[in-house]
Amino acid sequence: DIVMTQSPDSLAVSLGERATINCKSSQSVLYSSNNKNYLTWYQQKPGQPPKLLIYWASTRESGVPDRFSGSGSGTDFTLTISSLQAEDVAVYYCQQYYSTTLSFGGGTKVEI
Amino acid sequence: QVQLQESGPGLVKPSETLSLTCTVSGGSISRYYWSWIRRPPGKGLEWIGYIYYSGSTNYSPSLKSRVTISVDTSKNQFSLKLNSVTAADTAVYYCARGKGDNSGFYYGVFDSWGQGTLVTVSS
Repeated sequence: DIVMTQSPDSLAVSLGERATINCKSSQSVLYSSNNKNYLTWYQQKPGQPPKLLIYWASTRESGVPDRFSGSGSGTDFTLTISSLQAEDVAVYYCQQYYSTTLSFGGGTKVEI
Repeated sequence: QVQLQESGPGLVKPSETLSLTCTVSGGSISRYYWSWIRRPPGKGLEWIGYIYYSGSTNYSPSLKSRVTISVDTSKNQFSLKLNSVTAADTAVYYCARGKGDNSGFYYGVFDSWGQGTLVTVSS
């Protein structure tokens, strides 16, 4: 099974500042035949279901603000919020779909 | 806009079977993958398993011996059964749809989720 490890567990960022969340997979999630990374990012606010932000490691889902961006390849990935807004307070999860056994990271709590 | 809604008992006794149903509205269950995911209190998300509309399934190895996911396309519903539950199965249970577009249908990218339902295992 692929283990997803996120860091940090939590971080506090001032409004308007950059937030950076890291995700590391125990094996590569880059599929060589199509050169795509099978990695998604979700945002979960209290009392709400997770919301898809990013897939293929860097493709923003429709309607997601462009202050959210994903980067990385292979085993190391980053979600960046370029200018934190109050509504971005949430827990963020990475998840791999390279393996048919899907797995999530432990989550990173972003606070103001 | 597709909507998903979980339903089922909020309290299950230890050793019994947890049963939940997800009703899909605003779209067809056909052509997509459908998953169950849970979040235990104070913990992160855990994928339970998925079913394709045709009925083929894939389960988390850690739960495989206790899980059954089924689909009823005539009712636009899919269901979860988890047997021999313990307190460790207490969680908010979500149903979710795998993303599908002109590029393909993906079991592992969840673009629509139900609101979630809390299931507590307790006597």
